[in-house]
Amino acid sequence: EADIYQTPRYLVIGTGKKITLECSQTMGHDKMYWYQQDPGMELHLIHYSYGVNSTEKGDLSSESTVSRIRTEHFPLTLESARPSHTSQYLCASSPVFNEKLFFGSGTQLSVL
Amino acid sequence: SQQGEEDPQALSIQEGENATMNCSYKTSINNLQWYRQNSGRGLVHLILIRSNEREKHSGRLRVTLDTSKKSSSLLITASRAADTASYFCATPRRGTSYGKLTFGQGTILTVHP
Repeated sequence: EADIYQTPRYLVIGTGKKITLECSQTMGHDKMYWYQQDPGMELHLIHYSYGVNSTEKGDLSSESTVSRIRTEHFPLTLESARPSHTSQYLCASSPVFNEKLFFGSGTQLSVL
Repeated sequence: SQQGEEDPQALSIQEGENATMNCSYKTSINNLQWYRQNSGRGLVHLILIRSNEREKHSGRLRVTLDTSKKSSSLLITASRAADTASYFCATPRRGTSYGKLTFGQGTILTVHP
C-alpha cells in the first residue's frame, strides 16, 4: 500500500468557489505530480515538481496552481471552480523522475 | 497523437484464462511501465522494463518489449476475478518533453468468476 494520501476523496461544489486538493506522502520522494483523468480516458499531466520550491506546468493546460513548500506536501488550488473542471485528480510521487510512480486514491471533483 | 496506445480497449475472460494486452508507442524510450487501476482509484505500478531488456517477470505477470516494433505486451497468467481493472502502459518521452510520462487510454480487463 502506497504512503500517499489525497483529501478529500469526493468534492461537490458550486461554480466560483475556491478549492484546494490536498496531497501528502511520507516516503520522502522529491518528485511529485498531479494528473487529471476523465472516465475511461488517459491521464494528463497538469503539474509536476522536482523538489521543494520547484514546480512546472505539465502537458495539459490547467487553470489550477500548485505549491511545494515542504517535501511531503503538494496541494493543488483552483481559485474559481467551473463545471469544466469536473474530473478526477490524481496525485503521485516517485523516487526517480518518471519511474515507478506511487499514486494516491484520487479526488473526484464535481463542479455544479 | 498518443505516445502509448493499448490494445484491445476491452477484454473479457473467464477466471483461470490468460490475458494479453498490447501497447504501441511512437518515439524512442528508455523504459516502459505498466500500471493497474481499479475502478475509481489511483494507479498501482506493476512492472518497469528498460529498453535493453526483452522480457521481465513478476509473479503472474510477464512483460515483453520489442524496441524494433515499438511495442510491448503484458501477459497475466491464470487470471483471477481480482485482476479485473484497467491496465495502462506509460512511457517517458524524449526531446523537448524529456522524461514526461505519457499514459495510454488503457485496456479494461474483466475476469468473470
